[in-house]
Amino acid sequence: SAVISQKPSRDICQRGTSLTIQCQVDSQVTMMFWYRQQPGQSLTLIATANQGSEATYESGFVIDKFPISRPNLTFSTLTVSNMSPEDSSIYLCSVVVAPPLNTDTEAFFGQGTRLTVV
Amino acid sequence: DAKTTQPPSMDCAEGRAANLPCNHSTISGNEYVYWYRQIHSQGPQYIIHGLKNNETNEMASLIITEDRKSSTLILPHATLRDTAVYYCIVRSKTSYDKVIFGPGTSLSVIP
Repeated sequence: SAVISQKPSRDICQRGTSLTIQCQVDSQVTMMFWYRQQPGQSLTLIATANQGSEATYESGFVIDKFPISRPNLTFSTLTVSNMSPEDSSIYLCSVVVAPPLNTDTEAFFGQGTRLTVV
Repeated sequence: DAKTTQPPSMDCAEGRAANLPCNHSTISGNEYVYWYRQIHSQGPQYIIHGLKNNETNEMASLIITEDRKSSTLILPHATLRDTAVYYCIVRSKTSYDKVIFGPGTSLSVIP
């Protein structure tokens, strides 16, 4: 399994500011992903965080608004830039890993960062 | 887009079995059916997965139809703590690709 720690767990931010969310995994993982969950909605993929290269963004998400860093195989950050109230959501980090000596992969999710923009 | 369809909401009496259906008519041969649930204010949690045979673990049972176009997650004795959103997902068991979520089913267990 993989244990994911996200920081902060929640925050209230002023519009126009930026917030950086951290995702720390207890083991080296190849694939890390960032999701957004708007109030009452399902999870929507923002991007794939690639180690050593630029993140791969899904349609509707751009690097200027959601810059992502992936400096190593255990850590990633997502920044929500120039925030507006519409950015109020839960942001979740996810990894897909395979146990040692096993080809079967599993997806794990952090507990999320609940962001409120006022 | 998600490859599955689920009813948006369901109610279940506490202590009774909760049967959550999922349609996945376009599932391919190497894709498994996975179920996750998300309790309020938490990240999604893995429940169970299967290919074509029925599966059971300590949390739930998974019944997959012979044609694999639909499945049912069964919580045999629902408790109030089972109130959550349940997501049915199809994916390859060896894939490192992202997980795509549909709207899921919001299950309310009623006392």
